[in-house]
Amino acid sequence: AQKITQTQPGMFVQEKEAVTLDCTYDTSDQSYGLFWYKQPSSGEMIFLIYQGSYDEQNATEGRYSLNFQKARKSANLVISASQLGDSAMYFCAILDTGANNLFFGTGTRLTVIP
Amino acid sequence: NAGVMQNPRHLVRRRGQEARLRCSPMKGHSHVYWYRQLPEEGLKFMVYLQKENIIDESGMPKERFSAEFPKEGPSILRIQQVVRGDSAAYFCASSPLGLAGATNTGELFFGEGSRLTVL
Repeated sequence: AQKITQTQPGMFVQEKEAVTLDCTYDTSDQSYGLFWYKQPSSGEMIFLIYQGSYDEQNATEGRYSLNFQKARKSANLVISASQLGDSAMYFCAILDTGANNLFFGTGTRLTVIP
Repeated sequence: NAGVMQNPRHLVRRRGQEARLRCSPMKGHSHVYWYRQLPEEGLKFMVYLQKENIIDESGMPKERFSAEFPKEGPSILRIQQVVRGDSAAYFCASSPLGLAGATNTGELFFGEGSRLTVL
């Protein structure tokens, strides 16, 4: 079974609007971590936000927030007030301590339209 | 306060040559992870190392690939006799603790990657 599923290969959003990027995960562990990374066209992997499985509050970092729904095993990324510089690939990943590994989804390409 | 440093950023090799990719973790981090990203794909785990030890190499091809993280100096990912299929971006990440610790803290940071092109 896929550890991480990102069902949106591509998304478009109007500048200044909010956008939600979907991510669902699969793990039998009680303790795990969920990460979102941004990969612009230059190629580097930029850490955006992290949510631990025991964290009760949804994580927020500036314009980024993580909508963590544990029972549904989803960890969607919400970007508010989109900017042109947000255009990039976005990867969701799960840190699965049982497998001793960080598993990545296939990514969502976000394009912000002026 | 440097982040994870990888070099070279770009490397071109001909088939049959060797590629060496280096990764210097963040200061205070003793755990290093290597990932490979093929074009238009997500990152795939290759190997997890702690100083002088390979903890998990389950994602690394059995032949031609090797990794080390010596007591002094950077971690090295070595690819011998490269083939066209090795062309990819290779990312290194580091954490101060192992993955179990990173699960609690979220402290797992990536370098900018090394892009290998095999002609």
